[in-house]
Amino acid sequence: DADVTQTPRNRITKTGKRIMLECSQTKGHDRMYWYRQDPGLGLQLIYYSFDVKDINKGEISDGYSVSRQAQAKFSLSLESAIPNQTALYFCATSDTGHGTDTQYFGPGTRLTVL
Amino acid sequence: GDSVTQMEGPVTLSEEAFLTINCTYTATGYPSLFWYVQYPGEGLQLLLKATKADDKGSNKGFEATYRKETTSFHLEKGSVQVSDSAVYFCALSRGSGNTGKLIFGQGTTLQVKP
Repeated sequence: DADVTQTPRNRITKTGKRIMLECSQTKGHDRMYWYRQDPGLGLQLIYYSFDVKDINKGEISDGYSVSRQAQAKFSLSLESAIPNQTALYFCATSDTGHGTDTQYFGPGTRLTVL
Repeated sequence: GDSVTQMEGPVTLSEEAFLTINCTYTATGYPSLFWYVQYPGEGLQLLLKATKADDKGSNKGFEATYRKETTSFHLEKGSVQVSDSAVYFCALSRGSGNTGKLIFGQGTTLQVKP
């Protein structure tokens, strides 16, 4: 079984709809991240969380919100989706215990906003 | 602020050719450096990493050396295979003592032809 899972894998929605992307991990890591990938731009950080009560904005948080329901679950919401939020979204986890933040990525969610 | 710059792609090579993908970074202090690979339709996987100057990371025939004097972390492989076709991302992190955020380059697409 995959250590980091994301649901759904693909989603098509319409402008103005509320969308939630979910991420679960079985690695037991404290830290979780949401990234957005656009062609030619690499990955940009949306939000990150160090534990259930510690949530921080990344570089491109406008238009997004998150919820850390448990150590293993971190959800990303688009309250009112717009077409320029069409992208590939990745969740990642890391462990603070080894001094270097190697991150482990989920398979991604492809979101299309019409 | 911190940043990572990779060579423009796509890079197209014949099987068994030598590969170099250039990566340079801008950061104060001593970040950790990473190469991640993204195969078609999949999430990012850690390929290799280096945590201090002159360290060499290696995995699956790929190598990269952390060069503090030239602020570079170029990826090399002596003989590429068709199965190496993917997008390669260079990234840096300030480590778990800071936010642990990864800053990515824009990615370089590698196509290997038989």
